[in-house]
Amino acid sequence: GIQVEQSPPDLILQEGANSTLRCNFSDSVNNLQWFHQNPWGQLINLFYIPSGTKQNGRLSATTVATERYSLLYISSSQTTDSGVYFCAVVDNQGGKLIFGQGTELSVKP
Amino acid sequence: NAGVMQNPRHLVRRRGQEARLRCSPMKGHSHVYWYRQLPEEGLKFMVYLQKENIIDESGMPKERFSAEFPKEGPSILRIQQVVRGDSAAYFCASSLRAGLNRANNEQFFGPGTRLTVL
Repeated sequence: GIQVEQSPPDLILQEGANSTLRCNFSDSVNNLQWFHQNPWGQLINLFYIPSGTKQNGRLSATTVATERYSLLYISSSQTTDSGVYFCAVVDNQGGKLIFGQGTELSVKP
Repeated sequence: NAGVMQNPRHLVRRRGQEARLRCSPMKGHSHVYWYRQLPEEGLKFMVYLQKENIIDESGMPKERFSAEFPKEGPSILRIQQVVRGDSAAYFCASSLRAGLNRANNEQFFGPGTRLTVL
């Protein structure tokens, strides 16, 4: 099955700093999603991005499907950005999401 | 437009009891997925259902776990004779469509049910 790896596993930032999170996947995919799991455990959809670049406020994402990776950019980080960021891809049968292990982000004031 | 709803949000059971977790998908969504998140781990797929049919149950433990999505009403994940290792957060997601190269197959997640087995 498809393997999804995220890096770094942990990241500590000062408020206002920028960061880049990476997601590598082992096979070609047609669909990829980024999520933020906040400290209360809720999963929030950030991007649905099988290819190309999208931006939403201080966040943006780029997926290069031919090279099997996706990047999530966080600019001017805020303490509310803390939590775990997950990348997930749809399996080859087009149903279930395969999740990476996540990047745990902590933004300090 | 209400999102994916799950109840209860928190559930405490003693070993050997049954746990029933409910999920109402987003309006118009007929594809439902259940995932489990063990403490300090990522999310793992359990089962994928589409109205009255189980499409993929490759992530479901072979014993004690079952899922259904009836024609009317919410999807139910049932765990019989719970053990301490079942303690986890159980998330439900729904999508408008499914399949590769299909638009609108983005999955949206509910708030989860946190099951604690004493």
